[in-house]
Amino acid sequence: GESVGLHLPTLSVQEGDNSIINCAYSNSASDYFIWYKQESGKGPQFIIDIRSNMDKRQGQRVTVLLNKTVKHLSLQIAATQPGDSAVYFCAGFSGGYNKLIFGAGTRLAVHP
Amino acid sequence: DVKVTQSSRYLVKRTGEKVFLECVQDMDHENMFWYRQDPGLGLRLIYFSYDVKMKEKGDIPEGYSVSREKKERFSLILESASTNQTSMYLCASISTGTGRNYGYTFGSGTRLTVV
Repeated sequence: GESVGLHLPTLSVQEGDNSIINCAYSNSASDYFIWYKQESGKGPQFIIDIRSNMDKRQGQRVTVLLNKTVKHLSLQIAATQPGDSAVYFCAGFSGGYNKLIFGAGTRLAVHP
Repeated sequence: DVKVTQSSRYLVKRTGEKVFLECVQDMDHENMFWYRQDPGLGLRLIYFSYDVKMKEKGDIPEGYSVSREKKERFSLILESASTNQTSMYLCASISTGTGRNYGYTFGSGTRLTVV
């Protein structure tokens, strides 16, 4: 079936380092992908998106890369800060009704 | 600031009880969704609705039902709560008219414990 999954469940980084969170997807028809950040006790919040006609998109300290050949997404966070500690989800739209398929999530832990 | 509001942050219910989880959005969105979130399993779609009185099953609808009598409100019903329904429940919405820009807006979640 369709899936959007993550390679690693937990990522620990030092404050100031760059973080890379990876995600694989199975549905080649997905045309729009989103990264969400979920802090403890809160619902997921939009970070950055990318459409399938793009390879890269940059935001403030975050970059998303899309490799359609191998069906892979990554989220790069520059100069990781303690406030970046959260669970990160990738998600892709699939099929009708605007349904999002979510990956299992990666917990990012930032150490001083 | 646009919002999706879930009526309860924490709920504790007994096995066999009928449980109602309420979700209200103020963005005039057509599409609303209920997910449950469990560690290591990510977000799994229970039910969704693309219009008033319309509903569609998601990936794990067993043991749940939904109600959408008004556009702004989408209720999740646990007909007879069981301990395996202990989870975080997330409501989300998205507009059909604006396409898929920015994806869903989520509520803060309801953490349900069934004892």
